[in-house]
Amino acid sequence: GAVVSQHPSRVICKSGTSVKIECRSLDFQATTMFWYRQFPKKSLMLMATSNEGSKATYEQGVEKDKFLINHASLTLSTLTVTSAHPEDSSFYICSARSASGGETQYFGPGTRLLVL
Amino acid sequence: EDQVTQSPEALRLQEGESSSLNCSYTVSGLRGLFWYRQDPGKGPEFLFTLYSAGEEKEKERLKATLTKKESFLHITAPKPEDSATYLCAVQAEGAGSYQLTFGKGTKLSVIP
Repeated sequence: GAVVSQHPSRVICKSGTSVKIECRSLDFQATTMFWYRQFPKKSLMLMATSNEGSKATYEQGVEKDKFLINHASLTLSTLTVTSAHPEDSSFYICSARSASGGETQYFGPGTRLLVL
Repeated sequence: EDQVTQSPEALRLQEGESSSLNCSYTVSGLRGLFWYRQDPGKGPEFLFTLYSAGEEKEKERLKATLTKKESFLHITAPKPEDSATYLCAVQAEGAGSYQLTFGKGTKLSVIP
C-alpha cells in the first residue's frame, strides 16, 4: 500500500520550454501533496505544499509563476516548470499524505529534469 | 526554527558489523520523527515513524529509537543491500500541512 508514482521519470528539454511532471497516489487518496527538489548529494528541499482544490503554498524563495502546481483531484498533482533554464535542472520528487489521516508522507520515485 | 542534524555523514561497515546512525533534532513540539531510506536516483522509501520518547520500532535488521533530543537507527548485522542514504525528518506540532524538515542524511556503505 501507499504507492506514489511520478511521470516522467526522466525528461530532457530545451531552454525556454515548459515541462509538466505528474504525481499520482495509486492506492490511496491524498489530501496533501508536497513537491521537493534535490541537488546532488544534498537533502530534500521543500518547494511547495498543495492541497486538493486549493492554491499551493510555496516556500520562501520559490517562484510560484515559474513552478506551477495544480492539485485537481485527490490522486493527482502536477508541477509545471515554465520557461525552463539550465539552472532548473534537478531531481524533483513528490510526496503524498493520506486523506484518511496520519502524518506519514509517501514519496514518489522522482523525476530527473535536464534542461539544455 | 526546526533543525535536524544527522551523523555521521558517511559510514562504511563490513558486512555483519552492527552500528548506529544518529539524528539530533530541535523542534518546538514534536508531532513525529520519520526515517526514510533513499537509494541513488530514487525517491525516499518510508521506514519508521516515532511519536514519543521511549518508543522503538523494528523492521528486519533495522531498529529505530527515540529520546527527547535524538533518534538512533540501529543496523544489526548489515548486508550489502542495506547500502543507501538514510534520512531523518521531523514534523512539528501545529504544522498545519504536516511539513517535514529533513536532515542531510547518512550515506551507509556495507562492504561484502
